[in-house]
This record gives sequence, structure tokens and C-alpha cells, in this order.
Amino acid sequence: DQQVKQNSPSLSVQEGRISILNCDYTNSMFDYFLWYKKYPAEGPTFLISISSIKDKNEDGRFTVFLNKSAKHLSLHIVPSQPGDSAVYFCAASAERGAGTASKLTFGTGTRLQVTL
Amino acid sequence: EPEVTQTPSHQVTQMGQEVILRCVPISNHLYFYWYRQILGQKVEFLVSFYNNEISEKSEIFDDQFSVERPDGSNFTLKIRSTKLEDSAMYFCASSVTGVHSPLHFGNGTRLTVT
Repeated sequence: DQQVKQNSPSLSVQEGRISILNCDYTNSMFDYFLWYKKYPAEGPTFLISISSIKDKNEDGRFTVFLNKSAKHLSLHIVPSQPGDSAVYFCAASAERGAGTASKLTFGTGTRLQVTL
Repeated sequence: EPEVTQTPSHQVTQMGQEVILRCVPISNHLYFYWYRQILGQKVEFLVSFYNNEISEKSEIFDDQFSVERPDGSNFTLKIRSTKLEDSAMYFCASSVTGVHSPLHFGNGTRLTVT
């Protein structure tokens, strides 16, 4: 059941350049999307999110783009820094109504390596 | 910045034994979750919890699993009779609301069942 897919298991980018991480989803009920960053031996750290009513959200060096018709989202990191080297997970949720918790469905992750 | 804390960081147990994994969610958060990640696989949802009851559970969360909020600060996951395939990283998370609210994760408990 791969409702959220990250087809690139790894990505290498030079410091200062743009990193673009991609994510595709199949469930049309998803209405909230997030990106998490994970270092070894730590839990996922929330980076940025976007609601399905938007197509772009920006926070500092991080921008998330959502293309609902293509069921595709991407994370842009500009400029990339060595400290950005980590595994990045895309996640999605579908609203279930007031008073209920919306679970996250995660992708398999993309390992980003930012080189000097 | 407030964070979710989990104890222990590593738990080794024998097959068939009971384990309790502990979590202290962020204090003003109302929704709590357990996820797990088997080595090399994706992060999987186990259960969500709100207002002192389970909100949703996955098919993984069978009768051997239970969750509890025994007091105002702790949130626990109990595995009654561990199996080898329960070996994984278990992550606790919390969120302010249940909708369109990012989950904040702890650093996990590595459970090793021998």
C-alpha cells in the first residue's frame, strides 16, 4: 500500500545549489502534506507543511510546492548546506473530522547528501 | 523549544516478555500517536489517541498492543507478548490539534526482541 511514494532513494547536491526532493501520492482524500527531516538515531523533525488549498508555502530556505492535479509535491532547499544532509520524508494526511486525529502516511524517504 | 521525550532509548527483551515504552508529549498538545519504523522500512502508523481513548488504529495494532495515558503527562505503549518481528524503532508523537497540525516526534525507543 504505497499511497505516498518517494521514488528517489538518494540525492547528492553541491553546497550552495538547490536541492529538489519529490513526492507523489495516490489518495485523493489527502488534504495536508508535510516534510520531515531525519538524522540517524533521532526522530523525524517537522520542516514545513502545506494545505491542499494552497500550491506553495515558503519558510526561509525551504519551499514546498503542491500540484494537486498531478498528485505531486516537492521540497526545494535553497541554498543547500552541509547540515541539510539527512533523510527527508514526505507525509500526508486526510481530515477525519473534529475531535479525531488525522494519521500521517509516510513515504520511504530520500537521503540527501550535500557536498562541499 | 518544547519536545517529546521517550524512555528508554533502547530496550532489549526476550520473546514473549511484556514491554512498556514511555513518552512524555509536549504539554499543551492534545493528540498523541505511536509510530514504528522497522529497519530499512518506512515509518508506519500504529495508533492515535485523543480524549483518553483510541482515535484510530492500524491493522498492525492488534490485541498484543495497548496504549494508556496513566496521568496528565505520560503516554505509554505496552506490548504484551513480544515477538521477534516487533523489533523496530518506536516513535511517539503529539500534536496540538488533530487536523492540519504537524506532529512532533520524540527520538524513539529502539526495541530489540531476542
